[in-house]
Amino acid sequence: GAVVSQHPSRVICKSGTSVKIECRSLDFQATTMFWYRQFPKQSLMLMATSNEGSKATYEQGVEKDKFLINHASLTLSTLTVTSAHPEDSSFYICSASGLGNNQETQYFGPGTRLLVL
Amino acid sequence: DQQVKQNSPSLSVQEGRISILNCDYTNSMFDYFLWYKKYPAEGPTFLISISSIKDKNEDGRFTVFLNKSAKHLSLHIVPSQPGDSAVYFCAASGASYGGSQGNLIFGKGTKLSVKP
Repeated sequence: GAVVSQHPSRVICKSGTSVKIECRSLDFQATTMFWYRQFPKQSLMLMATSNEGSKATYEQGVEKDKFLINHASLTLSTLTVTSAHPEDSSFYICSASGLGNNQETQYFGPGTRLLVL
Repeated sequence: DQQVKQNSPSLSVQEGRISILNCDYTNSMFDYFLWYKKYPAEGPTFLISISSIKDKNEDGRFTVFLNKSAKHLSLHIVPSQPGDSAVYFCAASGASYGGSQGNLIFGKGTKLSVKP
């Protein structure tokens, strides 16, 4: 199956700092990448959808200036949590779909655990 | 309003028996359905999917059934193995349902425990 990686897997940072999370599709070209957030014991919540070379589309209630998304190539998307605060602590997961795969199937990365102190 | 519902938060099954995970949806515009398996602190792993033009799709031990008139789908795992123990998410999508392109709507998940 398609492989999606995320880096870092875990990050601990101080309040007020910015954190960048990378999402890469390793064996296919991802025309679309998605960023999700998961709170403990809850389902995945879509934050934004990004298409390569264009601005991300954010879901209602997600601050685009807070969560900066860049999808500069067909294999890489980044999520930057700017001026992170403790309430941003969560599990962030990316997924990708695109060329060479069933474009309706999303393949997920392993997730990034963010803890803001 | 929950568009995709998994009403059973947990399910316990004996090894070797069949596991049946259920999912209901409300939006008739959904035309593609997926099942994902997820372990704690990991991303979901794609298991199997089904298009609305089909009523059954099988892949090894996993079979997904779709009943469009009832807006219901189910995942059957047979025989169940201890390694199948995880949280299973049902997801739905549809290019024309009004959501973001490719947006998956997830249920809340069902935690499956397969006992040896």
